[in-house]
Amino acid sequence: QKEVEQNSGPLSVPEGAIASLNCTYSDRVSQSFFWYRQYSGKSPELIMSIYSNGDKEDGRFTAQLNKASQYVSLLIRDSQPSDSATYLCAAVVNNDMRFGAGTRLTVKP
Amino acid sequence: SQTIHQWPATLVQPVGSPLSLECTVEGTSNPNLYWYRQAAGRGLQLLFYSVGIGQISSEVPQNLSASRPQDRQFILSSKKLLLSDSGFYLCAWTRLAGRSYEQYFGPGTRLTVT
Repeated sequence: QKEVEQNSGPLSVPEGAIASLNCTYSDRVSQSFFWYRQYSGKSPELIMSIYSNGDKEDGRFTAQLNKASQYVSLLIRDSQPSDSATYLCAAVVNNDMRFGAGTRLTVKP
Repeated sequence: SQTIHQWPATLVQPVGSPLSLECTVEGTSNPNLYWYRQAAGRGLQLLFYSVGIGQISSEVPQNLSASRPQDRQFILSSKKLLLSDSGFYLCAWTRLAGRSYEQYFGPGTRLTVT
């Protein structure tokens, strides 16, 4: 099993809808998780970090961590076309960052 | 505030030619530095990381090498490029944030080997 796994998508949602991105992780992963947004041709940008079980909200973004089920998710409320990008899930493994393959999100006007 | 720079932004090189990509960080001291490669449509592959001057760890055996001649400078090199070296090269640094580390990326260098 890979340390961090994501559904590569693509995921398409209409403008204004909630986009839900999911990530599962293995036992080797520490309890620090991150979501990055990567626009086409650009470098990844850190948008959320979460360390504790439960929800963490930042504007339209909510990160959810469920340690019992070993998954972390990112919800984007009121999705906008500008949210169209690839979203990378990441976690710390032995002091190194491990990334999922990314989920491509398209928000259609 | 901290800033990370990479150059060049884009590069087209023939097979067999040498390579040198540079990364510098401003606004911090003794950062952990990383080189990643992202092939088209694929995830991030960690190539090298460094915890200090002259200290380099390699994740994947390949024809690339890295050096850290100064505290905030990280260089990725190759003596002879292969077609498979094409990709998006990203430099990153980590900072301690609370009880964990957060990683930040530079703007990247897009390398095309022809």
